[in-house]
Amino acid sequence: AQRVTQPEKLLSVFKGAPVELKCNYSYSGSPELFWYVQYSRQRLQLLLRHISRESIKGFTADLNKGETSFHLKKPFAQEEDSAMYYCAHRRGSNYQLIWGAGTKLIIKP
Amino acid sequence: GAGVSQSPRYKVAKRGQDVALRCDPISGHVSLFWYQQALGQGPEFLTYFQNEAQLDKSGLPSDRFFAERPEGSVSTLKIQRTQQEDSAVYLCASSLGLAGVETQYFGPGTRLLVL
Repeated sequence: AQRVTQPEKLLSVFKGAPVELKCNYSYSGSPELFWYVQYSRQRLQLLLRHISRESIKGFTADLNKGETSFHLKKPFAQEEDSAMYYCAHRRGSNYQLIWGAGTKLIIKP
Repeated sequence: GAGVSQSPRYKVAKRGQDVALRCDPISGHVSLFWYQQALGQGPEFLTYFQNEAQLDKSGLPSDRFFAERPEGSVSTLKIQRTQQEDSAVYLCASSLGLAGVETQYFGPGTRLLVL
């Protein structure tokens, strides 16, 4: 079965430090990977998707098919980055999203 | 423009009671999804509509769960004879295009607590 693993339930770093949120998926084909973010008292929203190859709010994520990973990175964390982050995977053209359990990121001042 | 809205935002039900959760997608969005999110977990797919057609209901956990979107706009998720394990946040999402290829926009969710 397809699976998305986010090994860290909670990640706490100091402002200005680098951040890496880990995501591994189990599908061996051509996946489509996403990162969604949920700020406090706000709804889930798309942060970035791997096919866009863009940087949003300073975050980037690279798909590594060999390691089946899609880790989210930011070189210098900001306090406003504190939120819940979810990695999600879609198999090929299938519309179903498979979600990880999420990582709560806390940026300490 | 207005985003996806859901009502009620909170619902407390006694075990065995029927509940109905409403989703108003973004106007013109063809695709509509329902997800269930248990505490401490990511969302899990329940069902998918393309306009008024329910193309996939494979994620509905039991026959107590029923969803409809009769006019291809507003959708209702109904849960009959609620059980404690139904307690979760129910999320609705819509996307402009077919088959959810485009970005899904989420509503705020309905938090259901079954006592």
